[in-house]
Amino acid sequence: KNQVEQSPQSLIILEGKNCTLQCNYTVSPFSNLRWYKQDTGRGPVSLTIMTFSENTKSNGRYTATLDADTKQSSLHITASQLSDSASYICVVSDRGSTLGRLYFGRGTQLTVWP
Amino acid sequence: EADIYQTPRYLVIGTGKKITLECSQTMGHDKMYWYQQDPGMELHLIHYSYGVNSTEKGDLSSESTVSRIRTEHFPLTLESARPSHTSQYLCASSEIDRNYNSPLHFGNGTRLTVT
Repeated sequence: KNQVEQSPQSLIILEGKNCTLQCNYTVSPFSNLRWYKQDTGRGPVSLTIMTFSENTKSNGRYTATLDADTKQSSLHITASQLSDSASYICVVSDRGSTLGRLYFGRGTQLTVWP
Repeated sequence: EADIYQTPRYLVIGTGKKITLECSQTMGHDKMYWYQQDPGMELHLIHYSYGVNSTEKGDLSSESTVSRIRTEHFPLTLESARPSHTSQYLCASSEIDRNYNSPLHFGNGTRLTVT
C-alpha cells in the first residue's frame, strides 16, 4: 500500500533554533517528492520538489534531502522565525498512472516560540 | 500571492441545501483539482480535470459534482448537503507536465459547515 508517514506529528522550538522534519514513504514507482508549507487558514504553498536524481534542494532557509534508496526525506529549517509556524506536508508522486497521483502525509505541525 | 481564488471562505448551511463552491485561477493552468482536508489528516482528492470538458472522480467517495466549461473556472457542487460534508475544501491547479514535476498551486480553501 502506498503511504507517506511524517514525524514528528508536532514540534515546538524556540525562535532562532534549527529543526528537522522527517518523511518516510512506500510509494512506488517513485516520481518526485514535494514539501509544502500550510499556514493556518491558508492553502499549502510549495517549498521544494525533488526528483529521483536529486538528493538535496534548498529554498532560502529550507533545505530538503532525499534518499531514494531508503525512501526517506527530511526538511531542515535553519534559524527558525515566528513565521515558520505552520504545518509542513510531505507529498510523493508516483509515475505508475497517467495522473501522476499524489500521496499526502498528515503533516508536521511546527510552532516557533519567541 | 495567490493566483487561484476560492469563494466563499466560510459557509454555514443547513442540511439538504444545494451549494456551489467557486474556484478560479488566472495562470492558464490546464489541470485543476478539488481536495478535502480535515484537521490533522491528509488531503484527499475528490475531483480533477485535465482541461475544458474533462472531469474525473478522485479517490474519495463524494456526492459532489464538478464542471469545467472554461479553463479558469472549476466549480464544485453539492446537490444536497449533509453534516458529513463538513470539512475544508481546497482547490488547486498545475501545468500539464509529462514528468509530473509541476507544483500544485492551492487556493485558500472554503471551510464548509453543514448543520
